[in-house]
Amino acid sequence: GAGVSQSPSNKVTEKGKDVELRCDPISGHTALYWYRQSLGQGLEFLIYFQGNSAPDKSGLPSDRFSAERTGGSVSTLTIQRTQQEDSAVYLCASSLATGGFNEQFFGPGTRLTVL
Amino acid sequence: QKEVEQDPGPLSVPEGAIVSLNCTYSNSAFQYFMWYRQYSRKGPELLMYTYSSGNKEDGRFTAQVDKSSKYISLFIRDSQPSDSATYLCAGKTGANNLFFGTGTRLTVIP
Repeated sequence: GAGVSQSPSNKVTEKGKDVELRCDPISGHTALYWYRQSLGQGLEFLIYFQGNSAPDKSGLPSDRFSAERTGGSVSTLTIQRTQQEDSAVYLCASSLATGGFNEQFFGPGTRLTVL
Repeated sequence: QKEVEQDPGPLSVPEGAIVSLNCTYSNSAFQYFMWYRQYSRKGPELLMYTYSSGNKEDGRFTAQVDKSSKYISLFIRDSQPSDSATYLCAGKTGANNLFFGTGTRLTVIP
């Protein structure tokens, strides 16, 4: 079966523009996660969805970042008024369930460059 | 202080060598400990996980967790050029998100 897919794979934008990043999780996976991977910082948790609700938004770095998930499937991460420090690889992961150990399967990421 | 600390390397070894990758962590609530492997321009993929302290072996790979010293290790025996990748350690509490180290870049030279 298909894994987690993300689009676009690369995005170059100008400072101040808004961007939308898309994640298609593995079919049937109820949990969806967004992480950000920057040079020297490793992966940082941003937000997690259980179904369409987001019980944990604690990792979103500012109110310029938001995310939604519809139909318990596709999720969109939106960054408004992008800044150069937003440049990073944005990774999405999904898991069958939550709690305990549920393997998170990662997509290939979207590489965002803010000029 | 990051919850998981990892030496970023890079680490270069000759083919066939034993590789030791290490992390320390500060969160006593971590219950699960994971090693992910990430190839260039790809997402991380789970290599191994352990619950609480102890050892776990899978082929050429052995994961060790020592909760008393908050130390996580991954050993790779008979390393192969195909093992060249970035290795990420991670910890997880009973909640849902993972806390990652910065990753160690490994190159195995033929």
